[in-house]
Amino acid sequence: EAGVTQFPSHSVIEKGQTVTLRCDPISGHDNLYWYRRVMGKEIKFLLHFVKESKQDESGMPNNRFLAERTGGTYSTLKVQPAELEDSGVYFCASSHPGTSGYEQYFGPGTRLTVT
Amino acid sequence: GDSVTQMEGPVTLSEEAFLTINCTYTATGYPSLFWYVQYPGEGLQLLLKATKADDKGSNKGFEATYRKETTSFHLEKGSVQVSDSAVYFCALKSGGATNKLIFGTGTLLAVQP
Repeated sequence: EAGVTQFPSHSVIEKGQTVTLRCDPISGHDNLYWYRRVMGKEIKFLLHFVKESKQDESGMPNNRFLAERTGGTYSTLKVQPAELEDSGVYFCASSHPGTSGYEQYFGPGTRLTVT
Repeated sequence: GDSVTQMEGPVTLSEEAFLTINCTYTATGYPSLFWYVQYPGEGLQLLLKATKADDKGSNKGFEATYRKETTSFHLEKGSVQVSDSAVYFCALKSGGATNKLIFGTGTLLAVQP
């Protein structure tokens, strides 16, 4: 069974540009989460989808970030326009109610560098 | 709000040394506690978990005990290997409807042969 995949693995953009990150969860997982780790600090929750609906978006930093999950499969996270402080590693995770304790399975992350 | 505090790294040990990475938490209610590990170039992997007080999670020789009285979940291993070199994250999931994980800052462990 394929794990959570993320694309791209690394992105370098200039301030003011737009970047779109993609996450493909484990097949059949209804829950999809985005997290971010900035500058070696803690990993912070951004938002949670249940299928195509946003269950919790309390961690989204501002309206420059837009997450979508059309059709309840893969998800995209768009940053527009990017700022320097958006640099970090963006992790995606998925889970299914059937997995024990709602265990979240993480992807390898996308390293975003804004210059 | 809920939070996790873990010891800062890097932690550098020789092979076969004893490892402790401290983790304490602040939470309302009865959280579940986790240790995740990130090996170089890979994603986060669940290492072990405990869902209630006095539970001991264990995996791959690592152990952690959920201590409600001290609000701690320290990670231990009796004899580390070079292959254990990674970043270790302590995390909690609050009780209730939310599924989000709250992480500590991560501790880099480097094991030298």
